[in-house]
Amino acid sequence: GAVVSQHPSRVICKSGTSVKIECRSLDFQATTMFWYRQFPKKSLMLMATSNEGSKATYEQGVEKDKFLINHASLTLSTLTVTSAHPEDSSFYICSARRTNLWETQYFGPGTRLLVL
Amino acid sequence: EDQVTQSPEALRLQEGESSSLNCSYTVSGLRGLFWYRQDPGKGPEFLFTLYSAGEEKEKERLKATLTKKESFLHITAPKPEDSATYLCAVHLTQGGSEKLVFGKGTKLTVNP
Repeated sequence: GAVVSQHPSRVICKSGTSVKIECRSLDFQATTMFWYRQFPKKSLMLMATSNEGSKATYEQGVEKDKFLINHASLTLSTLTVTSAHPEDSSFYICSARRTNLWETQYFGPGTRLLVL
Repeated sequence: EDQVTQSPEALRLQEGESSSLNCSYTVSGLRGLFWYRQDPGKGPEFLFTLYSAGEEKEKERLKATLTKKESFLHITAPKPEDSATYLCAVHLTQGGSEKLVFGKGTKLTVNP
């Protein structure tokens, strides 16, 4: 099956610092990549959609200057949480879609971010 | 406002005790309903897609069904390895873009 990796799997940082999370599709080229955030006992919430070589489309309420997304190639997207604060602590999950069909969306294992 | 509600929030079963999980939705422009399995600390894993009322799909001990307002995930004779959180999501068009909107999930625990 298709594999999507994320790095790091866990990160602890101090308030005010920036954190970069990488998402890679290891065995396929992704037409589109997505970034989600999941709080405990809450729904998986879409943050943004990105296509290679173009600007990401952010969901309403997501600060684009705080959550910087770069989709430099068909296999790599990065999410940078800038000036992180404790309320940004969450589980961040990326996904990559191999075709335009949602059945071909594969999720990464997630990154647990803790901001102290 | 579009909404996806899953019930129960948590479910404990004995091995072999069949049951059903519910996903109800109030959305406009539904283009499909998805079921995922999520293990702790992992990303969701795709199980099924349903597109129209009356449709059913099966995979091992799982069967998903769809009506116009809800979907059920039936688990027959579950085993401890079926323990996970089961998420449903609806595929819809919102503000000109397509997206999946997820429910909060049902955490299933199957005791041996």
